[in-house]
Amino acid sequence: EDQVTQSPEALRLQEGESSSLNCSYTVSGLRGLFWYRQDPGKGPEFLFTLYSAGEEKEKERLKATLTKKESFLHITAPKPEDSATYLCAVQAGGTYKYIFGTGTRLKVLA
Amino acid sequence: DAGITQSPRYKITETGRQVTLMCHQTWSHSYMFWYRQDLGHGLRLIYYSAAADITDKGEVPDGYVVSRSKTENFPLTLESATRSQTSVYFCASSEGGSQPQHFGDGTRLSIL
Repeated sequence: EDQVTQSPEALRLQEGESSSLNCSYTVSGLRGLFWYRQDPGKGPEFLFTLYSAGEEKEKERLKATLTKKESFLHITAPKPEDSATYLCAVQAGGTYKYIFGTGTRLKVLA
Repeated sequence: DAGITQSPRYKITETGRQVTLMCHQTWSHSYMFWYRQDLGHGLRLIYYSAAADITDKGEVPDGYVVSRSKTENFPLTLESATRSQTSVYFCASSEGGSQPQHFGDGTRLSIL
């Protein structure tokens, strides 16, 4: 069964304290792995797509990496405005459907 | 501005009533999706559509009906609402089947 697990469920960081969020997955032939950011009362906002193991994408303080079993979202020197829930989703080969993890709630303290 | 809009943003109704949630996108994306988001479950796919007049079931389709007569609109109908359908509903669209999905800001639905 296709499955996505995110850890930790919640994370509190001091401003400037770098860390990583994990997304572990089992899927029949990965078509793509997607990272989203979700603010309270808002819909998920697209961040990155990763398609194959070894691929990396960067945007400002965020860097996403992918292996055959998991993806990491590295946050370097976070700021309070990075506080949000970060969602990971995978798309299996031959389908248009996403399978979402339950997210990591990140709080960055000033 | 171009984008994806959902209406209403908030809705309270009673069990047994029919309710329709609207979704409109201005990108002319082929694919559209409906999800529900509940604590502990994350986002779960209800229905999706690959083009006008083409729809298919997702993970949790029971109790829901969709239609897509025009590319830009993808309404979701709860034919006889139940309390278990209290949730936040998100609509999304994508240009292609493997392209990123872009989400609206959701409809918070409460069924009393």
